[in-house]
Amino acid sequence: GAGVSQSPSNKVTEKGKDVELRCDPISGHTALYWYRQRLGQGLEFLIYFQGNSAPDKSGLPSDRFSAERTGESVSTLTIQRTQQEDSAVYLCASSLAPSGSIYNEQFFGPGTRLTVL
Amino acid sequence: AQSVAQPEDQVNVAEGNPLTVKCTYSVSGNPYLFWYVQYPNRGLQFLLKYITGDNLVKGSYGFEAEFNKSQTSFHLKKPSALVSDSALYFCAVRDIERGSTLGRLYFGRGTQLTVWP
Repeated sequence: GAGVSQSPSNKVTEKGKDVELRCDPISGHTALYWYRQRLGQGLEFLIYFQGNSAPDKSGLPSDRFSAERTGESVSTLTIQRTQQEDSAVYLCASSLAPSGSIYNEQFFGPGTRLTVL
Repeated sequence: AQSVAQPEDQVNVAEGNPLTVKCTYSVSGNPYLFWYVQYPNRGLQFLLKYITGDNLVKGSYGFEAEFNKSQTSFHLKKPSALVSDSALYFCAVRDIERGSTLGRLYFGRGTQLTVWP
């Protein structure tokens, strides 16, 4: 596609419910990233997928958070038993793969605004 | 550990005046440095990056940034600000030293730039 797309754009849920957020990366981008942006704060890294390698999950804040990616396409971020502190904008980005000394910039989607009541 | 600091939460300038948005970084090896801009209700857009070479990097929309290794800084600049430059600006760094976690960027908290007409 022309850019990174995310759905839904907005999600309001009740505390304790599970939510799934979707990201469609730019075609041909093998690297995919999820970040969280809380109100008034910078971006917080969550997870990184690169091709068939094991994902870097070091940024996931708790075991309620998980993410999957099918091949080099769509990714879903799942938050189980949502809490109010999960309220944030969840941003997805994709890039061409880092290769040696070459590092390619990340292209971001518009984000999903999650509100947990 | 890698980190980025943006010491100013807000920068206010008059249209036509030069602007500077400050960024300092800390990495264990050589840095890759980035600037992104976020307009209201939109995802982050890439502005420019420093990988190697000339310390003055030119990017989109007339922005440039100067890499200063001795001061570990990467300040964003523009000679003449426009009202349409008003947005949230993020500095980010990746440590390219071998063995560091591939792919992830470390973002600053962001600086809100307001350009007055």
